[in-house]
Amino acid sequence: GAVVSQHPSWVICKSGTSVKIECRSLDFQATTMFWYRQFPKQSLMLMATSNEGSKATYEQGVEKDKFLINHASLTLSTLTVTSAHPEDSSFYICSARGGLRGAGSTQDTQYFGPGTRLTVL
Amino acid sequence: AQSVTQLGSHVSVSEGALVLLRCNYSSSVPPYLFWYVQYPNQGLQLLLKYTTGATLVKGINGFEAEFKKSETSFHLTKPSAHMSDAAEYFCAVSSFIGGNEKLTFGTGTRLTIIP
Repeated sequence: GAVVSQHPSWVICKSGTSVKIECRSLDFQATTMFWYRQFPKQSLMLMATSNEGSKATYEQGVEKDKFLINHASLTLSTLTVTSAHPEDSSFYICSARGGLRGAGSTQDTQYFGPGTRLTVL
Repeated sequence: AQSVTQLGSHVSVSEGALVLLRCNYSSSVPPYLFWYVQYPNQGLQLLLKYTTGATLVKGINGFEAEFKKSETSFHLTKPSAHMSDAAEYFCAVSSFIGGNEKLTFGTGTRLTIIP
């Protein structure tokens, strides 16, 4: 149980184009989804938190107009990198959590997707 | 504020030897603590977690960790290393900030297994 998928697993695009990454919780309802960015040999940096049906909360320094997040259903969140540039190249990982803290199982643990490697030429 | 410190960015152990990966945390509220493993070019897989109750937590693949409040530690151990344990390991602490849950990760420890 608690499986999270991401699509695509890798993408190469030209500078200036937009790229959409999907994150799906396959066997549980994800009330909250998180988007992280990971640079080579570094830890994960939280970009934003999204609750189903609400606007995402972005971390300081993350451009909300550049990284558009939509969490339209309890099983799907999308991250769109708009007008991508080479410096946006990175490994993007999503995670999903099922509910309120303290309620056990999927509700107090973030389950991570396999990641999407974005390369902008 | 919360933070996680992982001592040792690289740890090497011989196959069959004890694995010990260190993690210390700081948190202003009772923490939820996690260990995740990441294999190359993959996402994070949950190894184990501590929320409440028993302080010795057993996880997958023979790993376990002990929550020691007095030492603010949550070290990860495995009695006998296997070649397949070679990966990056992340310790994380969870708390609520501004109404949202935030998971703060350590910088990671790369575990190498020597045949």
